[in-house]
Amino acid sequence: EAQVTQNPRYLITVTGKKLTVTCSQNMNHEYMSWYRQDPGLGLRQIYYSMNVEVTDKGDVPEGYKVSRKEKRNFPLILESPSPNQTSLYFCASSLSTGNEQYFGPGTRLTVT
Amino acid sequence: KQEVTQIPAALSVPEGENLVLNCSFTDSAIYNLQWFRQDPGKGLTSLLLIQSSQREQTSGRLNASLDKSSGRSTLYIAASQPGDSATYLCACYAYSGAGSYQLTFGKGTKLSVIP
Repeated sequence: EAQVTQNPRYLITVTGKKLTVTCSQNMNHEYMSWYRQDPGLGLRQIYYSMNVEVTDKGDVPEGYKVSRKEKRNFPLILESPSPNQTSLYFCASSLSTGNEQYFGPGTRLTVT
Repeated sequence: KQEVTQIPAALSVPEGENLVLNCSFTDSAIYNLQWFRQDPGKGLTSLLLIQSSQREQTSGRLNASLDKSSGRSTLYIAASQPGDSATYLCACYAYSGAGSYQLTFGKGTKLSVIP
């Protein structure tokens, strides 16, 4: 089944403790992206990747890192999480930039 | 920078009614436009993608139209059912530089279909 998977689905952590949210797609897509969704602010792009080893900032990149060492994986790294990063995070992929994006199930992160 | 607006923020209709959800965008130079559905606490499900060269797309009871010149898109849902209750999101792809198209989302319309 063609899909985007994220792990973990739920995470509660404390301020400053490094964490990684994994994202994987099995559709051989070149483009991958991370979004966060917050009440009243909607979905905002954090980082995106046009292909392996090619990543760039979205609208809200502060406090996040990404890497794209393999085509199928695009992990999101929070080096020192803070409470303002409490949010619902989505990974998405598409054949190439501008094409129909497919979203993962989301990761609900709480930073205390 | 592209801004996407969806009005109303919430809509409640009786079962069986036909309805229209509205989406407006500020920059008419969009590449594609995509409609999504989001159920509470869940991910986004793609409903329809309209390319900039198209005027509309249809899938089952759903029909989405695109008018770039006026900066508007509509999602028409025929014969609504309680299972259609969800938040509907409109998103525009626009060129953001360096060969990349960025997806900008509206804040959504929360639809409730009353049995």
